[in-house]
Amino acid sequence: DQQVKQNSPSLSVQEGRISILNCDYTNSMFDYFLWYKKYPAEGPTFLISISSIKDKNEDGRFTVFLNKSAKHLSLHIVPSQPGDSAVYFCAAMSRGSQGNLIFGKGTKLSVKP
Amino acid sequence: GAGVSQSPSNKVTEKGKDVELRCDPISGHTALYWYRQRLGQGLEFLIYFQGNSAPDKSGLPSDRFSAERTGESVSTLTIQRTQQEDSAVYLCASGTRGNQPQHFGDGTRLSIL
Repeated sequence: DQQVKQNSPSLSVQEGRISILNCDYTNSMFDYFLWYKKYPAEGPTFLISISSIKDKNEDGRFTVFLNKSAKHLSLHIVPSQPGDSAVYFCAAMSRGSQGNLIFGKGTKLSVKP
Repeated sequence: GAGVSQSPSNKVTEKGKDVELRCDPISGHTALYWYRQRLGQGLEFLIYFQGNSAPDKSGLPSDRFSAERTGESVSTLTIQRTQQEDSAVYLCASGTRGNQPQHFGDGTRLSIL
């Protein structure tokens, strides 16, 4: 059973528009969440994170929203650019753990010019 | 180098052979993680090192898998008597004392024939 779920395997967005990537989790012990971006044949690259004491964290074009009651988080990219085309992974952890991350299966984002 | 380095980048071997995968973490990073990504799946945690000790080996799928770390630096992941289901991309990540965010290498793509 997956503890972190990304239910959309793929998403296609027009350049300049908003991309919204969603992630749901089941483990109420998770209190720290991260988004990673992955290009083919490369390792995941850290994008942005959020602690459970916050409901929003913003970094440039990237904003992560956390809804703890719904056990849901989302990554917003505004405006989307063709270079954003990649697979995006949501990951979660419990601060009391050793730090190993639990990953979703990823969402492949395609930004069309 | 500045990032996490993994070698080899690709490995093809016959079923039943042993393989050894290497990870050079970012200098000074005390935490080191191994993950596995099977085709179409998210990253799956294997083992965590803090310094040279491995307080969490819970993700190792069988006793054919082992890992060690020396000098609080290089780590090797060994798979004995490889099986076809071991085919995956094996990713290494390192982190500072606070462990997050983790920085990933580009992985070793392992193919078992």
